[in-house]
Amino acid sequence: GAVVSQHPSWVICKSGTSVKIECRSLDFQATTMFWYRQFPKQSLMLMATSNEGSKATYEQGVEKDKFLINHASLTLSTLTVTSAHPEDSSFYICSANQGTGGDYGYTFGSGTRLTVV
Amino acid sequence: QKEVEQDPGPLSVPEGAIVSLNCTYSNSAFQYFMWYRQYSRKGPELLMYTYSSGNKEDGRFTAQVDKSSKYISLFIRDSQPSDSATYLCAMTPGGGNKLTFGTGTQLKVEL
Repeated sequence: GAVVSQHPSWVICKSGTSVKIECRSLDFQATTMFWYRQFPKQSLMLMATSNEGSKATYEQGVEKDKFLINHASLTLSTLTVTSAHPEDSSFYICSANQGTGGDYGYTFGSGTRLTVV
Repeated sequence: QKEVEQDPGPLSVPEGAIVSLNCTYSNSAFQYFMWYRQYSRKGPELLMYTYSSGNKEDGRFTAQVDKSSKYISLFIRDSQPSDSATYLCAMTPGGGNKLTFGTGTQLKVEL
């Protein structure tokens, strides 16, 4: 089945620094990748949608200058949290899509727990 | 009103019970319906996927979609402690469009 690898699984950084999270589709080409944020005991909140080679589309209320998304290839998307602050601490999850609605249409990474101190 | 409504629980059942999880939705454009299982501090794992109305069975899991009522269900038979997790319904019009999630139902299966 389709596999999405997300790295790192957890990261601790100092306030004011930037953190990059990688999301790779290992055995398929992902035409679209999605980035989510999840707070404890809450559902996934979509942050942005990215298509390979295009600028990401951000959801309302998400700061595009703070959460930089790059989808440079069909197998890799990155999320960079710039000038991180404690309120950015959260669980970030990526999802990759092949452009179909099939069983492997939406595959999720294992998530990255970001803690900003 | 949210596009997708899901009872957040928590739901606690004894081992071996039949579990019924449900979601309602309002967007008639949704064509693909999914159930994900999420363990604590992990990414969601696809359990079941259904296209349009109908039933689908996979082992102990059965997914049902009733588009006329805008209602989907997931049944878990012979529930096990390892089924303890949060279950998220999700749906999309398809074609690479984003998923819309329910809030998730926290399930605990007790010995």
